[in-house]
Amino acid sequence: DQQVKQNSPSLSVQEGRISILNCDYTNSMFDYFLWYKKYPAEGPTFLISISSIKDKNEDGRFTVFLNKSAKHLSLHIVPSQPGDSAVYFCGVFSGGYNKLIFGAGTRLAVHP
Amino acid sequence: EAGVAQSPRYKIIEKRQSVAFWCNPISGHATLYWYQQILGQGPKLLIQFQNNGVVDDSQLPKDRFSAERLKGVDSTLKIQPAKLEDSAVYLCASSLVAGGPHEQFFGPGTRLTVL
Repeated sequence: DQQVKQNSPSLSVQEGRISILNCDYTNSMFDYFLWYKKYPAEGPTFLISISSIKDKNEDGRFTVFLNKSAKHLSLHIVPSQPGDSAVYFCGVFSGGYNKLIFGAGTRLAVHP
Repeated sequence: EAGVAQSPRYKIIEKRQSVAFWCNPISGHATLYWYQQILGQGPKLLIQFQNNGVVDDSQLPKDRFSAERLKGVDSTLKIQPAKLEDSAVYLCASSLVAGGPHEQFFGPGTRLTVL
């Protein structure tokens, strides 16, 4: 059973526009949420995170929003740049599981 | 600071053969993870070490997979015998702090193809 779902396998955005990547989870016990970015032939790298006590966290061009009632989080990238083209993984964590569970990823392509 | 090192980067074997992967975490990182990433899926945790002790190996297929972390530093992951469905990228990650949702630093991975 998939506890973390990224329903859009791919997303194409024009440079300068906003990119919105979505993630849904099933278990309300998850209390920490992370986004990782992955370039080809490299390992994932941490991008941004948010705890369940917040509904928004911002870091430069990247903002993560958390809607606990909907069990939904999203990553906004504004403005999008060609260097943002990568696969983005949503990860969720709970103290009970004590491990990170990843979604299947969304491939973002930012074109000029 | 040097990142997580993994070798080999690529490996092709036939089913029923054995294979081993090596990982050297970031210096000083107590926690080490092995993930399996099958094409089109997210990384799935296989095993987590805290120093040289196993914290979680609930998703490790123990009939064919084994892992060790001697002296709490380097780690090896072995598959014996390999099956076709083991074709995946095997990622090693480490984190400074034990437990909790702390940032994990990933290596580049080993791409395994089982024919």
